Amino acid sequence: DAMVIQNPRYQVTQFGKPVTLSCSQTLNHNVMYWYQQKSSQAPKLLFHYYDKDFNNEADTPDNFQSRRPNTSFCFLDIRSPGLGDAAMYLCATSISYNEQFFGPGTRLTVL
Amino acid sequence: GESVGLHLPTLSVQEGDNSIINCAYSNSASDYFIWYKQESGKGPQFIIDIRSNMDKRQGQRVTVLLNKTVKHLSLQIAATQPGDSAVYFCAESLSGNTGKLIFGQGTTLQVKP
Repeated sequence: DAMVIQNPRYQVTQFGKPVTLSCSQTLNHNVMYWYQQKSSQAPKLLFHYYDKDFNNEADTPDNFQSRRPNTSFCFLDIRSPGLGDAAMYLCATSISYNEQFFGPGTRLTVL
Repeated sequence: GESVGLHLPTLSVQEGDNSIINCAYSNSASDYFIWYKQESGKGPQFIIDIRSNMDKRQGQRVTVLLNKTVKHLSLQIAATQPGDSAVYFCAESLSGNTGKLIFGQGTTLQVKP
């Protein structure tokens, strides 16, 4: 089945230790998104790639970076995680700016 | 600044009853609206969408109503089942823009057997 896959599902890191979350998709969608969802809150868009073009949201901290080496994969890098970065991180994909399909998310814990 | 968790409104219904979940959206220029269902520990799952040139759209057991005059969106679930228990988010988007989805606060639906 075509899908959006996120690994790992649960990630524990230490305060200040760089961490990378990964997303892959078999849908061959050209747009990939990263959202942050804190407890009991709605998802918040961090950035997205339209093909190879990176689009950052104005309020996304510099601590968050992203890479998209090819159509299928997209990575979220948190350079120096703080306690406030503990959240569920959701990857989504779409064909151009149409319906977005979400992955299961990676829950990040910062110790 | 540090974010504070928001209290999600909760709707509790009896199994078999109809559910109505409401949402107020913010941008009068938004022209695409989606309802997502999010179960605990999972990503949001698409339920139904509607474009601004429509005021009603029906799916299987679900209906979305759009009132652009008052910027209001609702999701109706017929014959609610225990498997419908989840958090429901509405989202708005301005097509032709970045495709950015702006999510509403979310409503927790609890289905009592």
